[in-house]
Amino acid sequence: QQKVQQSPESLSVPEGGMASLNCTSSDRNFQYFWWYRQHSGEGPKALMSIFSDGDKKEGRFTAHLNKASLHVSLHIRDSQPSDSALYFCAASEQGGSFNKLTFGAGTRLAVCP
Amino acid sequence: NSKVIQTPRYLVKGQGQKAKMRCIPEKGHPVVFWYQQNKNNEFKFLINFQNQEVLQQIDMTEKRFSAECPSNSPCSLEIQSSEAGDSALYLCASGTLISNERLFFGHGTKLSVL
Repeated sequence: QQKVQQSPESLSVPEGGMASLNCTSSDRNFQYFWWYRQHSGEGPKALMSIFSDGDKKEGRFTAHLNKASLHVSLHIRDSQPSDSALYFCAASEQGGSFNKLTFGAGTRLAVCP
Repeated sequence: NSKVIQTPRYLVKGQGQKAKMRCIPEKGHPVVFWYQQNKNNEFKFLINFQNQEVLQQIDMTEKRFSAECPSNSPCSLEIQSSEAGDSALYLCASGTLISNERLFFGHGTKLSVL
């Protein structure tokens, strides 16, 4: 079983709509979470991190973490066609970019004009 | 644009051939990671470095994979005898030692083993 599980596998939303992506860890050692986005032909790019319980907002992106259930979500409001990409949840045992990340299998988001 | 430079973008090898790919981390980043992303988009951690020293690595007992990050030279990942199952996107990422800082990934080297 994967230690970091994402759902749904794919998601389609209309332009201007809200996209909601989910991630759950089965390993209680994972306390630090990142969301990465990967456009076709490129490497992943970090969107945001969340290390504390509650919400964290950066522009159109809001992440939510529930440490008790090890559930993380990412909500994208006012979705744009340029948001169409693969989204990965990644977790680590400690904060800091020097710690190994364990990635989920990704959610493919399509934003339709 | 990514400041982590990976070369080549594409690499085609026959089975049994050596495959070598390079990575120049972002300036000032002492931490370098190599990940393998397969055709199902699954990531596999391979190895990470702090400056020239290995921090963690997977069990490379097959000895086919080797990596290094020499001072004043690009980092490299080499597969001694490529196998079809090695076909994947190899991603290099660099980062700082500051807590809460993100990793920066290159565009990757897409290896196809025929």
